[in-house]
Amino acid sequence: DAKTTQPNSMESNEEEPVHLPCNHSTISGTDYIHWYRQLPSQGPEYVIHGLTSNVNNRMASLAIAEDRKSSTLILHRATLRDAAVYYCILTRDDNNDMRFGAGTRLTVKP
Amino acid sequence: DAGVTQSPTHLIKTRGQHVTLRCSPISGHKSVSWYQQVLGQGPQFIFQYYEKEERGRGNFPDRFSARQFPNYSSELNVNALLLGDSALYLCASSRYPGLTSNEQFFGPGTRLTVL
Repeated sequence: DAKTTQPNSMESNEEEPVHLPCNHSTISGTDYIHWYRQLPSQGPEYVIHGLTSNVNNRMASLAIAEDRKSSTLILHRATLRDAAVYYCILTRDDNNDMRFGAGTRLTVKP
Repeated sequence: DAGVTQSPTHLIKTRGQHVTLRCSPISGHKSVSWYQQVLGQGPQFIFQYYEKEERGRGNFPDRFSARQFPNYSSELNVNALLLGDSALYLCASSRYPGLTSNEQFFGPGTRLTVL
């Protein structure tokens, strides 16, 4: 199964953009790229997902490399509430096992 | 609308005991998945159920079992508890079993401590 690699931690200043990278060099053609985040003392929550094209929603943007071997989650203006562990996950419909790695712990400084 | 609910919130058991954790999915969601999250790690997939049938099983021993009821709620059972079973147990619901275009909604979890 394809795996993802993320930095253990990142820091950002409040109201500045944050770019969270994810490498998935062994991604297959049917793998979707999902991002979830887990705020302290809560269950994970969906952020965004995509297959080939860049995606935008109210929470974030997802930039996918042309070869799909990496992607970047973009928070346009970080707030203190965005401090969380961010997980980059590959999914496919023939496998119901959503494999979370260790994720990236984002710290937002006021 | 109510989100995914789990009970109990916290639980303390001793080694060798049995535990049952409960999950109620979001109304209209027919798929329930269970995850174990050990402190400092990401969640690990245990089971997925859809329409009362098991659709997926992670790499967990047979001491772990689950079932889904006609109202789509679910129970996770763990027998012969070990110290290593201490973790946050998360339940996630979704409309369908596929993961690709189907957002999973997680509950707050049940914190199990085994002494």
